[in-house]
Amino acid sequence: QQQVKQSPQSLIVQKGGISIINCAYENTAFDYFPWYQQFPGKGPALLIAIRPDVSEKKEGRFTISFNKSAKQFSLHIMDSQPGDSATYFCAAALRGSTLGRLYFGRGTQLTVWP
Amino acid sequence: DAGVIQSPRHEVTEMGQEVTLRCKPISGHDYLFWYRQTMMRGLELLIYFNNNVPIDDSGMPEDRFSAKMPNASFSTLKIQPSEPRDSAVYFCASSLTSGGTYEQYFGPGTRLTVT
Repeated sequence: QQQVKQSPQSLIVQKGGISIINCAYENTAFDYFPWYQQFPGKGPALLIAIRPDVSEKKEGRFTISFNKSAKQFSLHIMDSQPGDSATYFCAAALRGSTLGRLYFGRGTQLTVWP
Repeated sequence: DAGVIQSPRHEVTEMGQEVTLRCKPISGHDYLFWYRQTMMRGLELLIYFNNNVPIDDSGMPEDRFSAKMPNASFSTLKIQPSEPRDSAVYFCASSLTSGGTYEQYFGPGTRLTVT
């Protein structure tokens, strides 16, 4: 059973456009929501993360929007660039957990074409 | 720090052979994770350790898979015997979970091909 559901599976965006990737979860005990970015041939790396006490977090062109009541969060990439072409994973961790485990979504393959 | 180190980077083997993947986590990290990535199933958690002790191995596909962490700086994932459906990229990741930080640092992965 997938704890975190991610969509779309793939996304093609024109350079300069906005890329939006969505994730949904059911477990209200989740309290940490990161996004990981993976380039071909590399391991995933943390891109940006948010906790449920805020509705939005922005770092440069990357923004996480969080809707606690809907149990959804999304990644927005503004002014998308060809260098953003990668696979993006959303994830979630349990409240108060010392286990360190992340529950990952299935991933979204983003292609930004010039 | 050199980051998480995995070896080999590529492994090609014949069905039925034993395969051993190796991982050196970041020094001082207390959690170690093994993942498998395929196009069909995405990123799957196989097993993870805390302070060298296995915590959850429910993601290990079957008895052919085993993992060990004999000390804080080394872990292995073994497949015996290997099958073509085991072909995937295997990642090791480590994290330091103090202060509620859950960031996992991934290694470069081992691409396994079983023919």
